[in-house]
Amino acid sequence: GESVGLHLPTLSVQEGDNSIINCAYSNSASDYFIWYKQESGKGPQFIIDIRSNMDKRQGQRVTVLLNKTVKHLSLQIAATQPGDSAVYFCAEILLGGGNKLTFGTGTQLKVEL
Amino acid sequence: GAVVSQHPSWVICKSGTSVKIECRSLDFQATTMFWYRQFPKQSLMLMATSNEGSKATYEQGVEKDKFLINHASLTLSTLTVTSAHPEDSSFYICSASTWGATSTDTQYFGPGTRLTVL
Repeated sequence: GESVGLHLPTLSVQEGDNSIINCAYSNSASDYFIWYKQESGKGPQFIIDIRSNMDKRQGQRVTVLLNKTVKHLSLQIAATQPGDSAVYFCAEILLGGGNKLTFGTGTQLKVEL
Repeated sequence: GAVVSQHPSWVICKSGTSVKIECRSLDFQATTMFWYRQFPKQSLMLMATSNEGSKATYEQGVEKDKFLINHASLTLSTLTVTSAHPEDSSFYICSASTWGATSTDTQYFGPGTRLTVL
């Protein structure tokens, strides 16, 4: 039969604005969390990660915030550029559990000129 | 460093045929490789975990006789989709890691293989 595709949540931002992408994770025992960027037709690309004993980590133009109380992650992208347009996934990992990544549902980021 | 390649990047085949996808770690030795499947507009779903020299561990709901995984060396894993059908059409992505690494970015992803079964 015909399959019905899911629609990714979409975030549209103006070039130069800041973007905030949110993610809810499932396992309170996860040891660390990673944000990936996936462009159309390509594999995921590592952006930034954070350990469960931290609540904030900054990279180049990106910041990840972790709120373990409500099992929530966010990715903040400063001065969003057209090249940031992609699907962003958060992933959680339980070290010692085979290093298996569990991916979130993803958010489509569209940067408008 | 830490480059993972996949071959082919895309493949079209007839229903009932088998397709082999290769995943290679080009500049490091990968004790563990992972295979994911991704349908359009959806997230990556782990299919199986493959350790060099041993049998793959499949996730629940993934048919091991249909998706044959071989990890014969520290730089190569293969996924064979046997008797492919249109519902197997998907984007297949592998990743490679060094077991026990506690540093960041423990999995390095390949560029993916687009499989279309007619």
